[in-house]
Amino acid sequence: EAGVAQSPRYKIIEKRQSVAFWCNPISGHATLYWYQQILGQGPKLLIQFQNNGVVDDSQLPKDRFSAERLKGVDSTLKIQPAKLEDSAVYLCASRDFQETQYFGPGTRLLVL
Amino acid sequence: KQEVTQIPAALSVPEGENLVLNCSFTDSAIYNLQWFRQDPGKGLTSLLLIQSSQREQTSGRLNASLDKSSGRSTLYIAASQPGDSATYLCAAQHGGATNKLIFGTGTLLAVQP
Repeated sequence: EAGVAQSPRYKIIEKRQSVAFWCNPISGHATLYWYQQILGQGPKLLIQFQNNGVVDDSQLPKDRFSAERLKGVDSTLKIQPAKLEDSAVYLCASRDFQETQYFGPGTRLLVL
Repeated sequence: KQEVTQIPAALSVPEGENLVLNCSFTDSAIYNLQWFRQDPGKGLTSLLLIQSSQREQTSGRLNASLDKSSGRSTLYIAASQPGDSATYLCAAQHGGATNKLIFGTGTLLAVQP
C-alpha cells in the first residue's frame, strides 16, 4: 500500500514570496491533516479535512495560509506572503476509520 | 488547554541498555495517548496507541504505559539497538469531531554501538 506522498521535499524562498505544498493521502482515507513542525518542537495541527470539508482550522494563520482539498483526495497548502517564522517542516497525514494517523515525509521550507 | 511535555529532551545510551522515555499531559480527559518515532528528514511513524481505558500496550521490544490519573505515559525500550536512534514523540488525542493530536516536543535518543 502506498503511503502519504508530499511534494516538494525541500523549498527555499525569500520572505514575502508565495509557496504551495501538495499532499496525496493514502487511498480511501477520508481524513487529512496538515501540521507545522518548527525545529525542536512537536508538530502543530494547522488544518483538518474530512473528505473535502474543513473540520478544524483554528490554528491556521488565515491572513497568510490557505488550504483546500479538491474532490476529497489531494490537498494543497499555500502560504502568501511567507514570513521568516514560517520556516518549518510541513507534514501531511491521513487517517481512515481507525485512530492511527499515517504521515508523509514532509516538506522542509526555508524562508530567507 | 492540553499541554504535553517530554523528559528528557535528549538521551544517549550504550547498545543493549533498557531505557524509559517520559511523557506528561495536563488534561487527563484524553481519548488515547500515542507514541511516534521520527527519523531525520522523514515523517512520523506510529509505534503504539493506548486507549484511555487501557493501562499499557506492547509491540516487540516496546512497551507503553498510561496513567491518566497522574497525567503520565512512559515508553520502555528493551535491549536498545543503534537502529532505535531517532526522535520519539508522544501525543495526546481528545475525542470529538476533530480528534486533534497534541504533541510533545520529543526526546532525541542516540544508542551508541
